[in-house]
Amino acid sequence: EVQLVQSGAEVKKAGDSLKISCKASGYTFTRYWIGWVRQRPGKGLEWMGIIYGSDSDTRYSPSFQGQVTISADKSIGTAYVQWSSLKASDTAIYYCARLSLGYSGYELGYWGQGTLVTVSS
Amino acid sequence: QSALTQPRSVSGSPGQSVIISCTGTTNDIARDQYVTWYQQNPGKAPKLIVYDVTRRPSGVPDRFSGSKSGNTASLIISGLQAEDEGDYYCCSYVGDYSYVFGSGTKVTVL
Repeated sequence: EVQLVQSGAEVKKAGDSLKISCKASGYTFTRYWIGWVRQRPGKGLEWMGIIYGSDSDTRYSPSFQGQVTISADKSIGTAYVQWSSLKASDTAIYYCARLSLGYSGYELGYWGQGTLVTVSS
Repeated sequence: QSALTQPRSVSGSPGQSVIISCTGTTNDIARDQYVTWYQQNPGKAPKLIVYDVTRRPSGVPDRFSGSKSGNTASLIISGLQAEDEGDYYCCSYVGDYSYVFGSGTKVTVL
């Protein structure tokens, strides 16, 4: 069974650094891309970027380029998003999602439970 | 890349059908067949309900169906049920492993 388990909620101050994780299981991590999606309080879904588990090839949405760093550790099947200096506007739930239900495809077929990041100013 | 345009809300009585539209451009919806729809219940992660415009994952009821014409995709919920209440988002692949989501639609069962 494919599972994506995300790290727990975080409460930070503006200017702090942070790294949240998404641990994959139930499939071969190196064969799939994992994407990240932001959802601000009461708002819609926003595409952040995506990383390939095999070689960490990463693509960023223009809105998030330079704002976050997406990385992965294939030895432990885990993807990450990190911030070097948080802003209050980074307060949101962050979801990871695996690309494709099967061997290939462009749908976000499996989702993590989300990580709530709260940043106080 | 601007968000795809969806109606803010739609509603219907149990058993009725509702249609949610998702309007984009030639750079997203119209470019290929990789349009997906996600259902999100309060406090939960999104769930894939339609992919490749018309396909349903295993376990998704057949009252959910998708279509596309030009730069507009649609999600049809037939035989609306109380459990269908929630937020619905369309999403389009825009190339190079990038995506754009719709603005979201709240479905209310009267």
